[in-house]
Amino acid sequence: AQKITQTQPGMFVQEKEAVTLDCTYDTSDPSYGLFWYKQPSSGEMIFLIYQGSYDQQNATEGRYSLNFQKARKSANLVISASQLGDSAMYFCAMRFDRGSTLGRLYFGRGTQLTVWP
Amino acid sequence: EAQVTQNPRYLITVTGKKLTVTCSQNMNHEYMSWYRQDPGLGLRQIYYSMNVEVTDKGDVPEGYKVSRKEKRNFPLILESPSPNQTSLYFCASRKGRQTNEKLFFGSGTQLSVL
Repeated sequence: AQKITQTQPGMFVQEKEAVTLDCTYDTSDPSYGLFWYKQPSSGEMIFLIYQGSYDQQNATEGRYSLNFQKARKSANLVISASQLGDSAMYFCAMRFDRGSTLGRLYFGRGTQLTVWP
Repeated sequence: EAQVTQNPRYLITVTGKKLTVTCSQNMNHEYMSWYRQDPGLGLRQIYYSMNVEVTDKGDVPEGYKVSRKEKRNFPLILESPSPNQTSLYFCASRKGRQTNEKLFFGSGTQLSVL
């Protein structure tokens, strides 16, 4: 069974510092994609970054980067130079290329990030 | 503007009173899905649809129905709501079957069943 684990229910970081949000996954399928979404207090889901299992380089999008370690089955989100507006819930999610779970996206339970001044 | 539109944004109802949450997308997406979000549990998939007239159960389908008669619409139906269906619901869509395609989410529907 596929599984996404976010072990940090809450994280705190000071403004302008970097923070890493952990995400590990469990699958025997070699082909998959990993996503990170942000959910601010207003409730909407905002796509941040994507990493494919066969991508040679770690994904980056502005201040967001993904520390992808395939052998360890981890896909940690790194936010550099944190801003107050980064305070939100962050979800890691995983999608598979084939099999009975083709097309489905599985979410972790989320990490609540609080950025303080 | 490309978007997924859910209605209503907030809904309070009573046990057993049938309700429908509507979802519409204007991006000609093939794939649509419903999730519910509960504290500490993340998002769990209720139903999804790969195309018109094709729907499949997700992880928590009990107590819900869906239909996909048109490509743009994917309503979620609660025939007889119960208090354990109190939750935040999201509709989402994406273009098709490529792994790297991101989901576009609606704004969410906060449902309270009394």
